[in-house]
Amino acid sequence: GAGVSQSPSNKVTEKGKDVELRCDPISGHTALYWYRQSLGQGLEFLIYFQGNSAPDKSGLPSDRFSAERTGGSVSTLTIQRTQQEDSAVYLCASSLVSGRVGDTQYFGPGTRLTVL
Amino acid sequence: AQKVTQAQTEISVVEKEDVTLDCVYETRDTTYYLFWYKQPPSGELVFLIRRNSFDEQNEISGRYSWNFQKSTSSFNFTITASQVVDSAVYFCALREETSGSRLTFGEGTQLTVNP
Repeated sequence: GAGVSQSPSNKVTEKGKDVELRCDPISGHTALYWYRQSLGQGLEFLIYFQGNSAPDKSGLPSDRFSAERTGGSVSTLTIQRTQQEDSAVYLCASSLVSGRVGDTQYFGPGTRLTVL
Repeated sequence: AQKVTQAQTEISVVEKEDVTLDCVYETRDTTYYLFWYKQPPSGELVFLIRRNSFDEQNEISGRYSWNFQKSTSSFNFTITASQVVDSAVYFCALREETSGSRLTFGEGTQLTVNP
């Protein structure tokens, strides 16, 4: 079956602009995660959606970052007033059953964001 | 404190050599899971293995094998008879019961297999 898909694959924006990154999880997966991969910080957790529960936003670096998940499927990560330090690869993952510690997260190809 | 440590930043081997990638973790949880992911040059993280804290049995999958030792908090990954296609960054990750949903990743090990 299809894996996790993300769009766009690359995004170049100017400092101060808003950007939206999209993630389409594996069909049937109820949990969705966003991570960020940057040279200085490695791979870091951003946010997690579990079914209809309130998301775990504890990893979001600032209030410029937000995410939503519509209809329990597609998710959008929004970064407002982008800064150069936001440049990174944003990775989305999904897992089959939400809330279980052992569930394997399957990752998408990522969106490479470059803020000029 | 670093919860997942991959001390080897880069490893370079010649094809057909065996290579071991080290992973040391830190947790106070009794229930946790450990993972290995591969990130080839294309960038996508590919799941390789999951191991829970109650199962110390080592695992072999083809040329890949994993050695989980709770006594030393290590979860090492060995590639036997390495191939050029094994060249990638390999990440070890920890998911703890008390940390909710997040995976905590190590810094990764860049493996280069030369022909």
